[in-house]
Amino acid sequence: GQQLNQSPQSMFIQEGEDVSMNCTSSSIFNTWLWYKQDPGEGPVLLIALYKAGELTSNGRLTAQFGITRKDSFLNISASIPSDVGIYFCAGKGVGSEKLVFGKGTKLTVNP
Amino acid sequence: SQTIHQWPATLVQPVGSPLSLECTVEGTSNPNLYWYRQAAGRGLQLLFYSVGIGQISSEVPQNLSASRPQDRQFILSSKKLLLSDSGFYLCAGGTAGNTIYFGEGSWLTVV
Repeated sequence: GQQLNQSPQSMFIQEGEDVSMNCTSSSIFNTWLWYKQDPGEGPVLLIALYKAGELTSNGRLTAQFGITRKDSFLNISASIPSDVGIYFCAGKGVGSEKLVFGKGTKLTVNP
Repeated sequence: SQTIHQWPATLVQPVGSPLSLECTVEGTSNPNLYWYRQAAGRGLQLLFYSVGIGQISSEVPQNLSASRPQDRQFILSSKKLLLSDSGFYLCAGGTAGNTIYFGEGSWLTVV
């Protein structure tokens, strides 16, 4: 079935650094969603993207829907300790309501 | 905005016993509904999704089943649990073309 390749798998950074992670798909998507999950909790929606080329910000977070419709990235600027967690990309293919997820990027921020 | 409720939050069940996890949605009608399983805190595996009452798509053939008896109710069941069914189960929902939100998750331990 559809799969998303999310990278990197994990990141260890210093507080204040910027972070970038991305997802690619083998097929065209019409929706990209980015989530953050804290241990033992459900994923929380960060940013939703619906149009190729769309660039959307949520505070220090910025995400873009790639113009090829097969990729998306998430940037976090000036990281802080509470940014720690697992970030997931998710997407829906054209004509499908099936929401598939990447395997996540585990972010560790050292104070 | 929509809210996803799922219960129970924690469940310890013996091997061979039945399972019923329930999910309800508030704040929207005719949502798309999803059940995911997450093992070891990484990777969300899509189990079932539904685009309407009585319409269930199964993604992974296994020891589980899903039902949607009402528009905003989605139930995950098993007749006989296996040890391998242990994990963190997440319900999600959202309207077509819109954002998808998650419940808080249900921890299932099969002993």
